[in-house]
Amino acid sequence: TQLLEQSPQFLSIQEGENLTVYCNSSSVFSSLQWYRQEPGEGPVLLVTVVTGGEVKKLKRLTFQFGDARKDSSLHITAAQPGDTGLYLCAGAQTSGSRLTFGEGTQLTVNP
Amino acid sequence: NAGVMQNPRHLVRRRGQEARLRCSPMKGHSHVYWYRQLPEEGLKFMVYLQKENIIDESGMPKERFSAEFPKEGPSILRIQQVVRGDSAAYFCASSLLLAAEAFFGQGTRLTVV
Repeated sequence: TQLLEQSPQFLSIQEGENLTVYCNSSSVFSSLQWYRQEPGEGPVLLVTVVTGGEVKKLKRLTFQFGDARKDSSLHITAAQPGDTGLYLCAGAQTSGSRLTFGEGTQLTVNP
Repeated sequence: NAGVMQNPRHLVRRRGQEARLRCSPMKGHSHVYWYRQLPEEGLKFMVYLQKENIIDESGMPKERFSAEFPKEGPSILRIQQVVRGDSAAYFCASSLLLAAEAFFGQGTRLTVV
């Protein structure tokens, strides 16, 4: 079983729509990161959240870390074609030694 | 301030040959991770190293695969006697601290023919 479950796995929307991507786990994480990966490139770090209940905004992107530090969400407002990519969450467990990645959400924003 | 550097970007090997993938972490980073990614899939953890030590290799196949991160020089992921199923993108990431946020290289795309 995957330690970090991301949903949905695939998402195709029209430009201007809003969307939310989820990252859930039964484990507690000391921190959680969100990455975006474009075809042919490596993942690029978007944000790190470390405090339960924390909310971070990056332009049209809003990231939230659950109160219990077991889950996170990424909300995009007024999506644009440039937002297209694979969105990955990754967490560092409180007792772990390495980052664990979710399977990713493949987002396609159609013009 | 150079990021994580991987080379080569593309590597073609015939079945049975060896593949060597190199990763130079960000300056000051002593933690290195290797991940494998198949098309349309997420990142699969392979190995986590610190300078001169393998910390966690639970994701790496027991045979044909090895990794090192010497005191001097880049981290190397070595695949011996490659097979078609080894074809994938291999990504390296580095971090400053244990289990801290990681920064990725652009990957090496290995094709076994």
